[in-house]
Amino acid sequence: AQSVTQPDIHITVSEGASLELRCNYSYGATPYLFWYVQSPGQGLQLLLKYFSGDTLVQGIKGFEAEFKRSQSSFNLRKPSVHWSDAAEYFCAVGREYGNKLVFGAGTILRVKS
Amino acid sequence: DGGITQSPKYLFRKEGQNVTLSCEQNLNHDAMYWYRQDPGQGLRLIYYSQIVNDFQKGDIAEGYSVSREKKESFPLTVTSAQKNPTAFYLCASSLERGSFLGYTFGSGTRLTVV
Repeated sequence: AQSVTQPDIHITVSEGASLELRCNYSYGATPYLFWYVQSPGQGLQLLLKYFSGDTLVQGIKGFEAEFKRSQSSFNLRKPSVHWSDAAEYFCAVGREYGNKLVFGAGTILRVKS
Repeated sequence: DGGITQSPKYLFRKEGQNVTLSCEQNLNHDAMYWYRQDPGQGLRLIYYSQIVNDFQKGDIAEGYSVSREKKESFPLTVTSAQKNPTAFYLCASSLERGSFLGYTFGSGTRLTVV
């Protein structure tokens, strides 16, 4: 069965600093990987997704993620964080045939000025 | 614009009452899902439906019921059997066999027991 681990419950970074949010997955075949962002009291918005091909994926809002099969990881990065990036971030894994995504527990990002 | 509409945004329930959360989509998606979100626990799947008139239990279906009479609509009823219903509820949709395309989410309903 698929599973997703986000090791960091909370992360605090200074505005303008770089960011990396960690995501590790467990899945036997090639996974379909996603990062979503959630502002307080809102739904989830898709940041980026990986299906195949180039392992470095670009998303919206200046985010990128790198798929590393050898490490079963799909970490999210941003070179310079803005105060508006403060939110909760969810990593999710799915498969080619099937409809259910499995979500990690989320990482809450705080940005200090 | 296409999207998913959840209503109401806030809902209050008295002990012993059933309440129904609405979820409507105009994306022509086949599959729809209900998730429950509690702080620190991520998203837990309650029910999902891949086609009209068919639905399956997720990981935490006890105390909940759903129907899928129309492709566009997937209402969730929180029954009195659900012992701890206070949570944030999210509805999502996707194309059939489309998990690899990701989900589109509604903006959520916050249910509070009073």
